[in-house]
Amino acid sequence: NAGVTQTPKFRVLKTGQSMTLLCAQDMNHEYMYWYRQDPGMGLRLIHYSVGEGTTAKGEVPDGYNVSRLKKQNFLLGLESAAPSQTSVYFCASDNPGQGSSGANVLTFGAGSRLTVL
Amino acid sequence: DQQVKQNSPSLSVQEGRISILNCDYTNSMFDYFLWYKKYPAEGPTFLISISSIKDKNEDGRFTVFLNKSAKHLSLHIVPSQPGDSAVYFCAASARSSASKIIFGSGTRLSIRP
Repeated sequence: NAGVTQTPKFRVLKTGQSMTLLCAQDMNHEYMYWYRQDPGMGLRLIHYSVGEGTTAKGEVPDGYNVSRLKKQNFLLGLESAAPSQTSVYFCASDNPGQGSSGANVLTFGAGSRLTVL
Repeated sequence: DQQVKQNSPSLSVQEGRISILNCDYTNSMFDYFLWYKKYPAEGPTFLISISSIKDKNEDGRFTVFLNKSAKHLSLHIVPSQPGDSAVYFCAASARSSASKIIFGSGTRLSIRP
């Protein structure tokens, strides 16, 4: 049981280049998320999806696009990378209300470290 | 505007003692609060959660306390062990917006021998 898998794990881009981060989950989760982690900022939500074919903006969506064509996959795209997008990106998934307290409990991938020069 | 705040970036505790990590929030609409633990080069993993209708939830060495009037929660680890050294994130969500989970900035806990 792989859980949440992110590819690639590391990538270096030049300003203006484009790339796509892939997230795959094998837990049949409805919800999927993309977060970025920056020093002193914690985890900030970029985009999320509550089901196949749906996407929505999070806290910091500018400069990113996403797609959820299949339930198990959630893609994060950078059309024209900027140095401000240097970060560690985490994908997560869950089914709502599955935590023992009723909370959403996220399962995270191991992260993708992106550097934009 | 940070809705979930962890004001201590780091904490050092001696092995065997109690570790107390704190978190404050501003949004009274939050229904659930969670703690996640993160080791280097790994994704965060869920540790413990509490509903806003409770004031305490315990799971082994980990206890989360919620003070709604003060909009404050804390995570107690007793006794602290070397494997507890990690970054701890506090998170909160509202039932009305279950897909939006807001995280704090994290506290790095170091357990010294």
